[in-house]
Amino acid sequence: QVQLQESGPGLVKPSQTLSLTCTVSGGSVSSGAYYWSWIRQHPGEGLEWIGYIYYTGSTYYNPALKSRVIISVDTSKNQFSLKLNSLTVADTAVYYCAKTGLGGVPAVLWGQGIPVTVSP
Amino acid sequence: QSALTQPGSVSGSPGQSITISCTGSSNDIGAYNYVSWYQQHPGKAPKLMIYDVTKRPSGVSNRFSGSKSGNTASLTISGLQAEDEADYYCSSYTTSSTLVFGGGTKLTVL
Repeated sequence: QVQLQESGPGLVKPSQTLSLTCTVSGGSVSSGAYYWSWIRQHPGEGLEWIGYIYYTGSTYYNPALKSRVIISVDTSKNQFSLKLNSLTVADTAVYYCAKTGLGGVPAVLWGQGIPVTVSP
Repeated sequence: QSALTQPGSVSGSPGQSITISCTGSSNDIGAYNYVSWYQQHPGKAPKLMIYDVTKRPSGVSNRFSGSKSGNTASLTISGLQAEDEADYYCSSYTTSSTLVFGGGTKLTVL
């Protein structure tokens, strides 16, 4: 049974770069049947899609974040990662990784989420 | 891209049916049959309830159903139960190959 687990720092400073990793167990990121996504949720607010990646490295990003985001995949470690630069306090959120289907990219399986606070 | 529009809250009594709407545009909901719905309980990760407008993942109760007309999608929950009380989010694939979420709807079971 596939599981996803986010890892990374819980506290980062403004202007720094956030680096998060999602480790996939029980399945393979090299599966051509799925995309791999990052989604975040600001405190008390709704969901915001960040972007997704295919195992080939093809990426799709939220236009509002595109200039600050890089999503990558490491098939040898069965992981995919998120880098978000030029952080501000507005990037404080719970960050989720998700396994997403093809076509309409539904997020069929989510990680538990990792809270990230951006503070001086 | 603009967020999809959902009502802030809906409520219903146990056993009743409720419907949550999700309005977008011809660039998202109206363009494809690629609308998904998610349920989120407090402090938990979201859970996929409906995808491709009407399809239910394995294990999701058939009390949950989805539909779409034009640029508006809907989630209907029939036979409302206490455990259905949660936040619900719609999302849609867009003509730019991106995803957009709705603002979320809080369902209260009276």
